[in-house]
Amino acid sequence: GAVVSQHPSRVICKSGTSVKIECRSLDFQATTMFWYRQFPKQSLMLMATSNEGSKATYEQGVEKDKFLINHASLTLSTLTVTSAHPEDSSFYICSATDRGHEQYFGPGTRLTVT
Amino acid sequence: GENVEQHPSTLSVQEGDSAVIKCTYSDSASNYFPWYKQELGKRPQLIIDIRSNVGEKKDQRIAVTLNKTAKHFSLHITETQPEDSAVYFCAATPGTALIFGKGTTLSVSS
Repeated sequence: GAVVSQHPSRVICKSGTSVKIECRSLDFQATTMFWYRQFPKQSLMLMATSNEGSKATYEQGVEKDKFLINHASLTLSTLTVTSAHPEDSSFYICSATDRGHEQYFGPGTRLTVT
Repeated sequence: GENVEQHPSTLSVQEGDSAVIKCTYSDSASNYFPWYKQELGKRPQLIIDIRSNVGEKKDQRIAVTLNKTAKHFSLHITETQPEDSAVYFCAATPGTALIFGKGTTLSVSS
């Protein structure tokens, strides 16, 4: 099946700094990528949808200036958490689709802000 | 937008019993309904999915049923095994992003 990677798998940063998370589709071209956030013992909450070459569409309540999403190519999307705070600590998961319904998930990035 | 409700939030069964998890959705335009199994700290794994033009689908011990009129779909696991213990999520989409239910923690005791 299709493979999606994420980097880094874990990151610890100090409050006020920025962190970039990469999501790559390794063996297919991802027309659309999605970013989810998952707090402990909770469900995956959609943050934004990004299409290659266009601006991301953010879900209600997600600050677009805080969570910067770039989808510069058909195989790479990045999520930058700017001025991170402890409440941003979470599990961030990306997924990608190649026009079909099925989404292929990355392994996730555990962000801890101290 | 789409809203997905999932029940129960926790489910405990004995090994060999069946487990049923139910979801309802709100958007009649939704046409794809996947089910995921997620183990702690790992990515969701697709275990079965169904499209709106099908009423039922089965894959070995796992089956999914869809009632479009009532806007609900269910996951059925038969002959449960301890390794089935995990969090299960249903999801729905009209064709773009997946909207997830809140999840069901399934515990299978031997």
